[in-house]
Amino acid sequence: EAQVTQNPRYLITVTGKKLTVTCSQNMNHEYMSWYRQDPGLGLRQIYYSMNVEVTDKGDVPEGYKVSRKEKRNFPLILESPSPNQTSLYFCASSLAGGRETQYFGPGTRLLVL
Amino acid sequence: AQTVTQSQPEMSVQEAETVTLSCTYDTSENNYYLFWYKQPPSRQMILVIRQEAYKQQNATENRFSVNFQKAAKSFSLKISDSQLGDTAMYFCAFMKHAGANNLFFGTGTRLTVIP
Repeated sequence: EAQVTQNPRYLITVTGKKLTVTCSQNMNHEYMSWYRQDPGLGLRQIYYSMNVEVTDKGDVPEGYKVSRKEKRNFPLILESPSPNQTSLYFCASSLAGGRETQYFGPGTRLLVL
Repeated sequence: AQTVTQSQPEMSVQEAETVTLSCTYDTSENNYYLFWYKQPPSRQMILVIRQEAYKQQNATENRFSVNFQKAAKSFSLKISDSQLGDTAMYFCAFMKHAGANNLFFGTGTRLTVIP
């Protein structure tokens, strides 16, 4: 089944404790992206990757890191999480940049205490 | 910069009736794509419908259709024969035609279908 998977789905952590949220797609998509969703703000893009080893900042990149060493994986790294990073995170992928429709993972709910 | 506005935070509709969700956007681009995504209580983001700006014909997907008015920068979603399973948050989104595949989202409209 073609899908985007994220792990973990739920995470509670404390301020400053490094964490990684994994994202994997099995559709051979070139483009991958991370969004965060906050009440009243919709979804905002954090980082995106056009292909392996090519990443760039989205609208709200502060406090996040990403890497794209393999085509299928695009982990989101919070080196020193803070309470304002409590949010619902989505990974998405598409065949390529430009006109392609993005498909979303199931979401990861993060609470930083 | 692109902005997407959904001016209806919440709406409700009686089962089997028709409802229209509004979306406007601001862009200087001529070629772009518009989307409606549905987010049910499970929080999954599900693509409902997609419209290419260069196509004059409005997109339709079964009970879902759009009214795309390019000059007015308006992109409304019509849901016909509403079903209980349509209860969800609906997001309008914009994407430029070329370059990075960044989606710009509106703030969403929460739709409740009443039995």
